[in-house]
Amino acid sequence: KAGVTQTPRYLIKTRGQQVTLSCSPISGHRSVSWYQQTPGQGLQFLFEYFSETQRNKGNFPGRFSGRQFSNSRSEMNVSTLELGDSALYLCASRDMAGTEETQYFGPGTRLLVL
Amino acid sequence: KQEVTQIPAALSVPEGENLVLNCSFTDSAIYNLQWFRQDPGKGLTSLLLIQSSQREQTSGRLNASLDKSSGRSTLYIAASQPGDSATYLCAVTRYSNYQLIWGAGTKLIIKP
Repeated sequence: KAGVTQTPRYLIKTRGQQVTLSCSPISGHRSVSWYQQTPGQGLQFLFEYFSETQRNKGNFPGRFSGRQFSNSRSEMNVSTLELGDSALYLCASRDMAGTEETQYFGPGTRLLVL
Repeated sequence: KQEVTQIPAALSVPEGENLVLNCSFTDSAIYNLQWFRQDPGKGLTSLLLIQSSQREQTSGRLNASLDKSSGRSTLYIAASQPGDSATYLCAVTRYSNYQLIWGAGTKLIIKP
């Protein structure tokens, strides 16, 4: 099976712009989670989607939003970018149909906000 | 509030040594604990997952233990190799949802 893919891999934006990141989970996985990783804060949970519904949400401002499509692909949007949004954004998928609970991570999208 | 701490923050050892990485958490009400590996600029790779009812898991040269009562987990790496150089992160899963709470990681360097 192909792994989790994320596009784009690198992105440079300026303050005030908005950005959309994409994540394609492993085939058959219906849960997609998003994380932000920065040197200062480490890894932080953004949100999780399952069957097109947001199941859980971390402690991030409303500028961060996401959605999931019927094919389980997910997008994350950040509006009105701030310098502090520069980070590695990781998505992970997991199969919730059985007992497999391991999350499989994509390579991430590195966002730089200037 | 669940907090996860990893000690040490960095570790450098010669090739061939056995080593132990530590992870502690403040709330014992966890669903599971996972160890991940992250190579520079890359995503995360799951190494081991221990359910809250389990005491340990093994995969090849890796062995992870879990002591919920004391809020501790260790990752044991046997016969370390330069290819083991990476950052190792542990994460606990809350019972209330599937949110992972992460430690800051241990950066491991294995010297040839």
